[in-house]
Amino acid sequence: AQSVAQPEDQVNVAEGNPLTVKCTYSVSGNPYLFWYVQYPNRGLQFLLKYITGDNLVKGSYGFEAEFNKSQTSFHLKKPSALVSDSALYFCAVREDRDDKIIFGKGTRLHILP
Amino acid sequence: EAGVVQSPRYKIIEKKQPVAFWCNPISGHNTLYWYRQNLGQGPELLIRYENEEAVDDSQLPKDRFSAERLKGVDSTLKIQPAELGDSAVYLCASSPGLLTDTQYFGPGTRLTVL
Repeated sequence: AQSVAQPEDQVNVAEGNPLTVKCTYSVSGNPYLFWYVQYPNRGLQFLLKYITGDNLVKGSYGFEAEFNKSQTSFHLKKPSALVSDSALYFCAVREDRDDKIIFGKGTRLHILP
Repeated sequence: EAGVVQSPRYKIIEKKQPVAFWCNPISGHNTLYWYRQNLGQGPELLIRYENEEAVDDSQLPKDRFSAERLKGVDSTLKIQPAELGDSAVYLCASSPGLLTDTQYFGPGTRLTVL
């Protein structure tokens, strides 16, 4: 069965600095990996996904993520953080031989002005 | 294009009362998901529909929860009777149908059981 871990409950970054939100996964087959963001009292919004191909995936709002098969990681990154990036971020994994999608418990990102 | 619509947005009920949530997915999306999100946690799948067929309801507490998607479009999730532990946000999502497809989420219904 697949699993996903977000090891940090909260990440604090100063505005203008680069940010990284970590995600590691475990699957039996090939992974499909997703990042979502959730603002207060809102549903989850899709940021980006990795299905196959280039390990560096670019998504919405200037975010990108790098798929690293050897480290089973899919960390979310942004070169320069904005205060408006403050939100709850979820990593999710699905594998190509299973219909289930598993979400991490989320990482709260605080961008300090 | 309209997104996933859910209603109500908030619901407060007393324990042992019934409650129902409604979801209208994005037009043309064959797959519909119901999730429960507890405070400080990620969403957990309750049930997944492919058109009108429930293809994964293994996490649905069937003694008190039920769901339907009669015409393969909108869906209703019901709890009867509600318990204190059911307080959570109930999210609906839809996708075109492939495993690689993105899921699009509605705003959710925040349920408080007193």
